[in-house]
Amino acid sequence: DIVMTQSPDSLAVSLGERATINCKSSQSVLYTPLNRNYLAWFQQKPGQPPKLLIYWSSTRESGVPDRFSGSGSGTDFTLTISSLQAEDVAVYYCQQYSLAPFTFGPGTRVDIK
Amino acid sequence: EVRLVESGGGLVQPGRSLRLSCSASGFTFADHAVSWFRRAPGRGLEWVSFIRSRGRDGAIRYAASVEGRFTVSRDDSKSVSYLQMNSLKTEDTALYFCTRSKDPYDFIIDYWGQGTLVTVTS
Repeated sequence: DIVMTQSPDSLAVSLGERATINCKSSQSVLYTPLNRNYLAWFQQKPGQPPKLLIYWSSTRESGVPDRFSGSGSGTDFTLTISSLQAEDVAVYYCQQYSLAPFTFGPGTRVDIK
Repeated sequence: EVRLVESGGGLVQPGRSLRLSCSASGFTFADHAVSWFRRAPGRGLEWVSFIRSRGRDGAIRYAASVEGRFTVSRDDSKSVSYLQMNSLKTEDTALYFCTRSKDPYDFIIDYWGQGTLVTVTS
């Protein structure tokens, strides 16, 4: 199985400041023939199911604010919130869909400082 | 509006069976793969199973932890997916989610239901 890890476990950022979350996979999720990374990011707020933010490591889902961006390739990925808003308080998960079983990172909690 | 509503969860003894349902609305169910995930108490999200659309061969896969005990199916005429869970174990206790895959991709999850709770206990 591909093991996903995330860092940090949690972070607190001031409103309007940048938040950066890292995700690492135990093996590459890059499909070279298509030059696509099979990596998604989800946001989960209390009492709600996860919400898709980013797929193909950097493609923003429709309706997601452009302050959210994804980057990285192979085994190392980053989710950046460029200017944290109050409504961004949540837990963020990375997930690989390269190989079954499709595995998630343990999550990173983002709070307001 | 896309909606996925799970039902069928509850309290069950080890070794018994339960069938979960996922009722979909707001989109053409037949065109999308469906995946089931779960979150056990104190644990992370775990993929359980998926079933592709019939137009894309209807392939089915399971996580090793449920292979041989769980069966996923779909009834496109009713826009429903089922997860038949047999020989339940205490470690199957979890909140079970039904999800939709983003067309035309099979494994990018763009909508989740709210989940249905399964508790396996004697």
